[in-house]
Amino acid sequence: QSVLTQPPSASGTPGQRVTISCSGSSSNIGSNIVNWYQQLPRTAPKLLIYSNNQRPSGVPDRFSGSKSGTSASLAISGLQSEDEADYYCATWDDSLNAHVFGTGTKVTVL
Amino acid sequence: QITLRESGPTLVKPTQTLTLTCSFSGFSLSTSGVGVGWIRQPPGKALEWLAVIYWDDDERFSPSLKTRLTITKDTSKNQVVLTMTNMDPVDTATYYCAHGDYINYGVYFDYWGQGTLVTVSS
Repeated sequence: QSVLTQPPSASGTPGQRVTISCSGSSSNIGSNIVNWYQQLPRTAPKLLIYSNNQRPSGVPDRFSGSKSGTSASLAISGLQSEDEADYYCATWDDSLNAHVFGTGTKVTVL
Repeated sequence: QITLRESGPTLVKPTQTLTLTCSFSGFSLSTSGVGVGWIRQPPGKALEWLAVIYWDDDERFSPSLKTRLTITKDTSKNQVVLTMTNMDPVDTATYYCAHGDYINYGVYFDYWGQGTLVTVSS
């Protein structure tokens, strides 16, 4: 049972904008940076967004992250078929003294 | 170029101890701000963070698994070893190691190994 809650699924047609939420608390998202990971089928996770809204080199600018209070969001604009994957938010929790991952969201391109 | 690779047994029996080795290249675990973490993923389930060891020997563990985990680093060999005692079938998962960048208010894992599937069964 994760302390970071994400919707189980999200979907959109090619070209649409999809947003994934990550809900936490003052001891995790409210106090620390949020990172996002993309996991394509049968592959290792890949860092997509770090430090709330920073993209690593090579990540398309279609992906963007934001944080407000105890929640964070990942937006995918101009959805493409290759974006079909599982997405996880993650952060540090000061109360648990542990790194925590979100419950994960499966994005489907219709 | 940073790479990591996990190695260890693919099958362990219940109650046995699992030992996994993360061999890496392209960075040094003696560099300030660097860490190596372990994350696992049961089949069809979400990612679960297990542990991290930092350049300064600081170690952090998942609270729910803390009593069963140890993590060590060998800077000269560029390896990090994770041991988990008293294995149970629920510990069946793909185990990943990852390079961590420690920054103010958190750490992120920017390079991952391919993962190794460990099955716990008698």
